[in-house]
Amino acid sequence: AQTVTQSQPEMSVQEAETVTLSCTYDTSESDYYLFWYKQPPSRQMILVIRQEAYKQQNATENRFSVNFQKAAKSFSLKISDSQLGDAAMYFCAYRKTGGFKTIFGAGTRLFVKA
Amino acid sequence: DAMVIQNPRYQVTQFGKPVTLSCSQTLNHNVMYWYQQKSSQAPKLLFHYYDKDFNNEADTPDNFQSRRPNTSFCFLDIRSPGLGDAAMYLCATSRSLSTDTQYFGPGTRLTVL
Repeated sequence: AQTVTQSQPEMSVQEAETVTLSCTYDTSESDYYLFWYKQPPSRQMILVIRQEAYKQQNATENRFSVNFQKAAKSFSLKISDSQLGDAAMYFCAYRKTGGFKTIFGAGTRLFVKA
Repeated sequence: DAMVIQNPRYQVTQFGKPVTLSCSQTLNHNVMYWYQQKSSQAPKLLFHYYDKDFNNEADTPDNFQSRRPNTSFCFLDIRSPGLGDAAMYLCATSRSLSTDTQYFGPGTRLTVL
């Protein structure tokens, strides 16, 4: 069975600084997607960034980038120039290609200090 | 523009009193999902609809049912809520089963007294 592990329940970062959230996963599949979702307090979960496992190049979306290490089954999220609006719960997630089920990690709560 | 709408945002019910949560979408997506998210935990998939085809997760209690009368709407019925069913319930959609991106609603927070 696939699992997703986020070992950092909470992280904090100073505004304008960089922070990295960790995620590891376990799967026997070769084709899959990995995601980082952001869930602000009392607001809906939104997709931050996604990575296809067959792509070696790390995905980037503005201030958000990932470090995808397929062999190590590691998928970390780097947030550069952190802003107050980045404060949220961040979920790492996995989905097998062609599958319908998304498996989420337990989440990392990110605090941003002014 | 809201794309996945959940009503109500907050729902209080009594132990054992049936409750229905509502989800609607303006995306015309084929797939709709219901997740249960307990405090400080990951969302857990309860079931999903692909069009009218209903798929239940093996560990979803029988107490939880769902209806999808049309493409836009999906309901979660909890027949006899217990204290352990207090949680945030998230609705999500995707264009197809193989589409990787899901769009989430804001959730309904259910309190059971």
